[in-house]
Amino acid sequence: GEDVEQSLFLSVREGDSSVINCTYTDSSSTYLYWYKQEPGAGLQLLTYIFSNMDMKQDQRLTVLLNKKDKHLSLRIADTQTGDSAIYFCAEITASGGSYIPTFGRGTSLIVHP
Amino acid sequence: NAGVTQTPKFRVLKTGQSMTLLCAQDMNHEYMYWYRQDPGMGLRLIHYSVGEGTTAKGEVPDGYNVSRLKKQNFLLGLESAAPSQTSVYFCASTGAGEQYFGPGTRLTVT
Repeated sequence: GEDVEQSLFLSVREGDSSVINCTYTDSSSTYLYWYKQEPGAGLQLLTYIFSNMDMKQDQRLTVLLNKKDKHLSLRIADTQTGDSAIYFCAEITASGGSYIPTFGRGTSLIVHP
Repeated sequence: NAGVTQTPKFRVLKTGQSMTLLCAQDMNHEYMYWYRQDPGMGLRLIHYSVGEGTTAKGEVPDGYNVSRLKKQNFLLGLESAAPSQTSVYFCASTGAGEQYFGPGTRLTVT
């Protein structure tokens, strides 16, 4: 099975909050990331959290980490149409001294007026 | 500071042709990666490098070769392109826990 899982789609109304969820299986994860990908573009690093943290806030973005349940979430406050994109969750674990990222398949966020 | 750059941005190959994709980073990162992105498949790791002169296989290495002769460059080669290698290829580098991606190369093999 997948090491990192995300729901495929999320639809929200402009101005509402969006919550994108992610679960992972590797308890030795060191860093957990959220990326945003707009159509035809590369992945843009939005934020990341160390595995020894529970929460990180950066302007409209709040990342929550539940290590016990291996659950990561990204909350976007006051969602705007410009937030419409695919959001990828990723984790990095150290494997034999190498940091190998594992990505989820991405959640398509659709923001409608 | 350009971050991670990739060349070319687009390429069309015929089956059996060869080509090299170039990735360059100016952040002095040790780790570099090549991914492919296909619809519904997310990102899959092809090869990676933990430093100059080193390379290792990722999840889907078959049909690809890589080289890291200089710390700032990571090359991905296709010796004999196949239609199954039609994809968008992303390079990335990691330093201090932050991973940065290039803009991607869209490759079509006919």
